[in-house]
Amino acid sequence: AQKITQTQPGMFVQEKEAVTLDCTYDTSDPSYGLFWYKQPSSGEMIFLIYQGSYDQQNATEGRYSLNFQKARKSANLVISASQLGDSAMYFCAMRGPTGANSKLTFGKGITLSVRP
Amino acid sequence: AAGVIQSPRHLIKEKRETATLKCYPIPRHDTVYWYQQGPGQDPQFLISFYEKMQSDKGSIPDRFSAQQFSDYHSELNMSSLELGDSALYFCASSSRTAPYEQYFGPGTRLTVT
Repeated sequence: AQKITQTQPGMFVQEKEAVTLDCTYDTSDPSYGLFWYKQPSSGEMIFLIYQGSYDQQNATEGRYSLNFQKARKSANLVISASQLGDSAMYFCAMRGPTGANSKLTFGKGITLSVRP
Repeated sequence: AAGVIQSPRHLIKEKRETATLKCYPIPRHDTVYWYQQGPGQDPQFLISFYEKMQSDKGSIPDRFSAQQFSDYHSELNMSSLELGDSALYFCASSSRTAPYEQYFGPGTRLTVT
């Protein structure tokens, strides 16, 4: 079974600073994928970044980067130069091997508040 | 770029009524997923379809059923609604040839009174 753990309480960051959101995972599958999604108060689920278990390099997408440490089973999201619009709930999620196990298992989420 | 479309965006029903939620996946995506997100909760997987066949099933109540049609749109049918069914229902789509993508629709917010 797959499990995602996000244990940080609500996070606060000053505008223009960087912030790291923690995510640890557990799976017995050698092939898996890790996703981060942003959910603002309006409710939509916005895809941010993806890391495959066999990817050699850490994923980056604009201001988002994923600090993937496979041996530690962690996939932390780093947001650089925080903006007020980054205030939202952030979910880490895992996909199993492609095929029937492509459904996502989510963590409980982390609330990020960006202070001006 | 085209995104996942869900309708309606908001739905208010009374207990014991029936609801139908619709999802139109991103063109050329072959897999559709349904998730339920209760207030303050993380999304929970309900059911998925690959090429119009059910491919996986999660914690979907027996009162719920779903299908995917020939044009790849999917419908989630919910009967005998209960107060606890009030939630945000997401549809997501992906392609098996691009496992690094799973895009979500805007969600349908169902309120059962």
